[in-house]
Amino acid sequence: GQSLEQPSEVTAVEGAIVQINCTYQTSGFYGLSWYQQHDGGAPTFLSYNALDGLEETGRFSSFLSRSDSYGYLLLQELQMKDSASYFCAGSGSARQLTFGSGTQLTVLP
Amino acid sequence: DGGITQSPKYLFRKEGQNVTLSCEQNLNHDAMYWYRQDPGQGLRLIYYSQIVNDFQKGDIAEGYSVSREKKESFPLTVTSAQKNPTAFYLCASRTIDTEAFFGQGTRLTVV
Repeated sequence: GQSLEQPSEVTAVEGAIVQINCTYQTSGFYGLSWYQQHDGGAPTFLSYNALDGLEETGRFSSFLSRSDSYGYLLLQELQMKDSASYFCAGSGSARQLTFGSGTQLTVLP
Repeated sequence: DGGITQSPKYLFRKEGQNVTLSCEQNLNHDAMYWYRQDPGQGLRLIYYSQIVNDFQKGDIAEGYSVSREKKESFPLTVTSAQKNPTAFYLCASRTIDTEAFFGQGTRLTVV
């Protein structure tokens, strides 16, 4: 089976930097991805790490360390519209896509 | 435009009824997934399929059934055996080990 753990809530102010961590336990790990979901909406893809290291996409970056079974999503220059839930997701040897329980990010003015 | 479509957006079910949620994609993706999301919770995997005519149970398959007769379609049936079916249901598709695309979801309510 697979399990992914992430904090339930994070709060930060506009313009700040916030890091959302994700630790995982899975057999045959194939990569870590991140999704954003606004209330009532569908999740949308943000980033994917198949290899160790940092991936940067605009204000969002994601990091993976396979040896530590750990990754994080880094959001810079926070904006009010970034208030949403953020999910890490992992793919195991059976190629199922399992999600963490989500982190609710609140951006304050 | 390519995409993934779920219907209906809202669905009401009486106690003891089976209902089927539709999921269609024209992205030519091999893999399709069904998730259940309860208020304030994460996405829990119900079933997934990596190829036509084959599918596997996820973490909460009891009370649900699926079929994959065509690459484009992956309908989910919520059976009367599912005792607490009220939830937001999300369908997704992807090419293996790439980003997943989600439909807009179906909100199922038991009345």
